[in-house]
Amino acid sequence: AQKVTQAQTEISVVEKEDVTLDCVYETRDTTYYLFWYKQPPSGELVFLIRRNSFDEQNEISGRYSWNFQKSTSSFNFTITASQVVDSAVYFCALSEAKDSGGSNYKLTFGKGTLLTVNP
Amino acid sequence: ETGVTQTPRHLVMGMTNKKSLKCEQHLGHNAMYWYKQSAKKPLELMFVYSLEERVENNSVPSRFSPECPNSSHLFLHLHTLQPEDSALYLCASSQRGLAGGYTDTQYFGPGTRLTVL
Repeated sequence: AQKVTQAQTEISVVEKEDVTLDCVYETRDTTYYLFWYKQPPSGELVFLIRRNSFDEQNEISGRYSWNFQKSTSSFNFTITASQVVDSAVYFCALSEAKDSGGSNYKLTFGKGTLLTVNP
Repeated sequence: ETGVTQTPRHLVMGMTNKKSLKCEQHLGHNAMYWYKQSAKKPLELMFVYSLEERVENNSVPSRFSPECPNSSHLFLHLHTLQPEDSALYLCASSQRGLAGGYTDTQYFGPGTRLTVL
């Protein structure tokens, strides 16, 4: 069965600090997808990134970067020079891909990490 | 409108009321989802519609009744709810992939905050 663990329930930092949000996943499949979503106080889940299990390249997008390590089943998310607007709950999610003809639409979400960035 | 929209954003209802939540996606997707997000619980998938056909009913009580009249609209009809049904209800959409397989990115709406008195 799939499982996503976000061990950090809450993190509080001061603006301009770097912060890393941890995500550890469990799956028996060799093909799967990992996601990060941001949920600001408004409630909407905002898609940030999707990574498939065959692509272990780290990715950087502005102040955001992601470190995917299959060896440790982790997909960690780092925000560099954090800003107050980064305050939100961040969710890591896992979806297992099925064979052709099958389908998998089920996202398994972690419980989320509440990030508070103080001025 | 862009993305996924949901109305109303907030809803307060009594246990004997009947109400409906509406979701509309402007992304040209062919699959839509209802999720429930309760305090301190992971997101729970409730229903999935693909090409307007319900493909998932995740053991949801019958007091929740989904409807998908076309690929752009999704409704959740509510009746005789319980206080424990108070939650944020999120709608999402995605594009179903080839040969039926779809592990595609789901895009979410802003949610409806439901309070049942």
